[in-house]
Amino acid sequence: EEQLVESGGGLVQPGGSLRLSCGASGFTFSSYWMSWVRQAPGKGLEWVAHIKQDGSEEYYVDSVKGRFTISRDNAKNSLYLQMNSLRAEDTAIYYCARSPGYSDGWALDYWGQGTLVTVSS
Amino acid sequence: QSVLTQPPSVSAAPGQKVIISCSGSSSSIGKNYVSWYQQLPGTAPKLLIYDNDKRPSGIPDRFSGSKSGTSATLGITGLQTGDEADYYCATWDSSLSGGVFGGGTKLTVL
Repeated sequence: EEQLVESGGGLVQPGGSLRLSCGASGFTFSSYWMSWVRQAPGKGLEWVAHIKQDGSEEYYVDSVKGRFTISRDNAKNSLYLQMNSLRAEDTAIYYCARSPGYSDGWALDYWGQGTLVTVSS
Repeated sequence: QSVLTQPPSVSAAPGQKVIISCSGSSSSIGKNYVSWYQQLPGTAPKLLIYDNDKRPSGIPDRFSGSKSGTSATLGITGLQTGDEADYYCATWDSSLSGGVFGGGTKLTVL
């Protein structure tokens, strides 16, 4: 059974850093594009970043460019999000999600349970 | 403000049908496939529709999707109280080079 488990969330001060991890199991991790999506408290979904199977391509929403870095370690079946210069508006539940191999377009078929990041002094 | 526009809320009675709209632009929906997600309270989103009108395995045919031009719709028939959730449309935006979601629509089954 496909599973994604995020970790690394917590309380951090504005300007601080945090590294999120997402462990994958039940599927061939190296065969899929992966994404991070966030959801601020009581708000909608926001795509954050996206990385190709071999890590050779990365895409980011404008609001995190230059501050966040998505990466992956296929040998460890893991996805990461390094978050620097954190702001209050980065407070959200962060989900990692998989893009299905059967889709011609961008979609996300498996999601983790999310990890909460709170940026506050 | 979301790149894709959805109505904030819709409602209908059990057994009835509801349609949720999603409006985008020529660089988003106009050029790319649309997906739809259901998010039950306190849970992660779940993929309902991909590539405009395809259902993943396990999604009942009560859920359907369509796209025309720069807009898309999600239809749900035979409404059940368990369908009460937030629904999001999503697509890739070729101008932004990124994924975009609608603001979400809260479905109430009266």
